[in-house]
Amino acid sequence: EIVMTQSPATLSVSPGERATLSCRASQSISSNLAWYQQKPGQAPRLLIYGASTRATDIPARFSGSGSGTEFTLTISSLQSEDFAVYYCQQYDNWPPYTFGQGTKLEIK
Amino acid sequence: EVQLVESGGGLVQPGGSLRLSCAASGFTFSTYSMNWVRQAPGKGLEWVSYITSSSSTMYYADSVKGRFTISRDNARNSLYLQMNSLRAEDTAVYYCARLRGTGFQDCWGQGTLVTVSS
Repeated sequence: EIVMTQSPATLSVSPGERATLSCRASQSISSNLAWYQQKPGQAPRLLIYGASTRATDIPARFSGSGSGTEFTLTISSLQSEDFAVYYCQQYDNWPPYTFGQGTKLEIK
Repeated sequence: EVQLVESGGGLVQPGGSLRLSCAASGFTFSTYSMNWVRQAPGKGLEWVSYITSSSSTMYYADSVKGRFTISRDNARNSLYLQMNSLRAEDTAVYYCARLRGTGFQDCWGQGTLVTVSS
């Protein structure tokens, strides 16, 4: 089973600033990585797939990068609605599909 | 509009059973593989089960294998999760999700809460 590790667990950033979230896979997953955003009481929402492709209607301030075992989600110029929990998920070697434990992005 | 709506959650005693449903609309349900994903209170996301569009292949997380059964009815645009021998650790919000490509979820339902407690 591929283990996904996200860092940091909590990230405090001021509105308008840039946020960088990391996700590491325990073995290479090529570019088979997705990022999701989840707000309290809501279902997750797909942000990025294929490590760097934005999903439909996702603003350009969200970008993904990386391949192999190291991945990054960058949110430039944070908006108030971006404060949420973010999960990465690998779909290279499954079952099982595995998620990271999440990074909580909070207002500084 | 693509929509997934789960139902069937509730309070059940340990060892009991529950059947979750997921009603799909706004897309051709019969052409998509589907997943069930759960989230225990205050915890992260955990994949539970997978089914292909034609029901030819199903997979389960080790934590539910032998107790849960995934199925679908393409004529009714519905996905199901039969949960037997429920345990306290199965307490979670259960989401159904549409799969795209080889395995990312591009559409999620709102979730249904399952609470296993005496």
